[in-house]
Amino acid sequence: GNSVTQMEGPVTLSEEAFLTINCTYTATGYPSLFWYVQYPGEGLQLLLKATKADDKGSNKGFEATYRKETTSFHLEKGSVQVSDSAVYFCALSLRANAGGTSYGKLTFGQGTILTVHP
Amino acid sequence: GAGVSQSPSNKVTEKGKDVELRCDPISGHTALYWYRQSLGQGLEFLIYFQGNSAPDKSGLPSDRFSAERTGGSVSTLTIQRTQQEDSAVYLCASSARLGNNEQFFGPGTRLTVL
Repeated sequence: GNSVTQMEGPVTLSEEAFLTINCTYTATGYPSLFWYVQYPGEGLQLLLKATKADDKGSNKGFEATYRKETTSFHLEKGSVQVSDSAVYFCALSLRANAGGTSYGKLTFGQGTILTVHP
Repeated sequence: GAGVSQSPSNKVTEKGKDVELRCDPISGHTALYWYRQSLGQGLEFLIYFQGNSAPDKSGLPSDRFSAERTGGSVSTLTIQRTQQEDSAVYLCASSARLGNNEQFFGPGTRLTVL
């Protein structure tokens, strides 16, 4: 079946530290990959995405590269801020073929809690 | 503009009662999704709609769960004869169309079954 595995949390960092949250996946077909973020008291929102191998998604200083050879989509940020404290979810959706649109439903990892201290 | 809204925000019910959860998607969005977020299971897909039809109901945990969508807009998730293991946050999302489009999530309904 299709699944997403994230590194266990929680992750606690000091401000300006480097962040990596690991994400690996198993999927049949052609997955699109996503990172969603849930800030305290808010709903899930899309952080970044990549739809094919070697694509890099980036937003708000966060980056993730779709690595087909290692089936990974690790999230990185060079210098975290207190405002980045949130829960981060890696997710995938499948496409029928390499150039097609996805089926839509998201399969999520278990989430990683990030806390950044001043 | 208005985002995805869900009601109620919190629902406490007794075991065995039926509950209805409502989702109002972003206007014009044709695809609508239901997910469940619980401590033990994480974020799970339940069902999605394209227009008023539901091509994929594979995530519904049991036949006590059902969902409908009318007029290509509002959707209702119904849980009959609720059990304690149904306690979770039920999330609704919508996207402009099925596919790689971003899914916009609502704030969720926290369901507690006593």
